Amino acid sequence: DAKTTQPTSMDCAEGRAANLPCNHSTISGNEYVYWYRQIHSQGPQYIIHGLKNNETNEMASLIITEDRKSSTLILPHATLRDTAVYYCIANTGGFKTIFGAGTRLFVKA
Amino acid sequence: GAVVSQHPSRVICKSGTSVKIECRSLDFQATTMFWYRQFPKQSLMLMATSNEGSKATYEQGVEKDKFLINHASLTLSTLTVTSAHPEDSSFYICSASFISRAGASYEQYFGPGTRLTVT
Repeated sequence: DAKTTQPTSMDCAEGRAANLPCNHSTISGNEYVYWYRQIHSQGPQYIIHGLKNNETNEMASLIITEDRKSSTLILPHATLRDTAVYYCIANTGGFKTIFGAGTRLFVKA
Repeated sequence: GAVVSQHPSRVICKSGTSVKIECRSLDFQATTMFWYRQFPKQSLMLMATSNEGSKATYEQGVEKDKFLINHASLTLSTLTVTSAHPEDSSFYICSASFISRAGASYEQYFGPGTRLTVT
């Protein structure tokens, strides 16, 4: 897996967009960018993944730079329930997922 | 998304006893299942990877004779913590993976976790 770098923590106001950055400068051509989140004392939850193109689903949007060296997860209207640790992972898929420290997102009222 | 269940959600056992944790993929057949362990305020640590009908592959430093993994079917994997000790107290999480319906990429879903306390 390519190494990913994320800020340790971030704050976001409720109702505003939360933009979580991830650096993966050594990502290889066949590695996807996956995002998961873990709410306290629960198992991780899959959010979204992408290879080259930007992706959007009901939970979030994923913006991947053209050179694929970084990406941003966007939660368009953050709520208090979005407070969690967010993990950005780059791997080829079909193989083990190794978790880093992630970004602790605090959504404040 | 796909659903992965774990049972039990919490278990307390005495030192020296064994505990079995079940992981099931409820609405899909998992090509591979994974077991993780998480200590307080730490990230998930991968313990082992298992494919149905094959022996599990353990990560470095994980004792295979202590953490027995059985992957009997495409929807069920079990982790048995043998001769548990207080230092084995942790949050154990399983996950299951499959190739998406479109066949384009791999998806992985996680169970809710099992909190093991060894007294």
